[in-house]
Amino acid sequence: AQKITQTQPGMFVQEKEAVTLDCTYDTSDPSYGLFWYKQPSSGEMIFLIYQGSYDQQNATEGRYSLNFQKARKSANLVISASQLGDSAMYFCAMSPDGSSNTGKLIFGQGTTLQVKP
Amino acid sequence: DGGITQSPKYLFRKEGQNVTLSCEQNLNHDAMYWYRQDPGQGLRLIYYSQIVNDFQKGDIAEGYSVSREKKESFPLTVTSAQKNPTAFYLCASSIVLFSGHNQPQHFGDGTRLSIL
Repeated sequence: AQKITQTQPGMFVQEKEAVTLDCTYDTSDPSYGLFWYKQPSSGEMIFLIYQGSYDQQNATEGRYSLNFQKARKSANLVISASQLGDSAMYFCAMSPDGSSNTGKLIFGQGTTLQVKP
Repeated sequence: DGGITQSPKYLFRKEGQNVTLSCEQNLNHDAMYWYRQDPGQGLRLIYYSQIVNDFQKGDIAEGYSVSREKKESFPLTVTSAQKNPTAFYLCASSIVLFSGHNQPQHFGDGTRLSIL
């Protein structure tokens, strides 16, 4: 069965510093996609970054990068130069790619990030 | 502006009552999804639909029903059979690719449902 594990319920980071949010996954699918979403206190889910299992390079989107280690089945999110507006809950999610792609996402439990001024 | 609109923002349900949550998208996406989020938890899939007039159960479909009569609309009914409906409900949509890489899901702002 597919599963996403986020082991850090809460994290603190000082403004302007970098922070890594951990995500490990379990799947037997040969092809899959990994996503990170941000959920502010208002509740909406904001897509941040995507990594395909066959992508050769780690994904980057502005201040967000994904540290993808396929052998270890980890897909950690790195936020550089943290800002106060980064305070939110962050979710890692997975979906199969390729012919079994139904678009369904499996979510982890989330990590709450608080950025200190 | 393209996006997903969920209504109402807050909803209260009486015992034995069915309530319907609205989800409309103007992104021309084929696929739509309903998720439930309990406090401090991740999202769990209730139902999803990849095409009009077709939908599939997710992981926690019991006590819920959906319809997909139009591409733009995917309403969710919380029936009286759902004994613990208090949660935050999120609707999402995405492009469907039947081969190749996933596309990100775009989410609405959610509906908070409580029991009176």
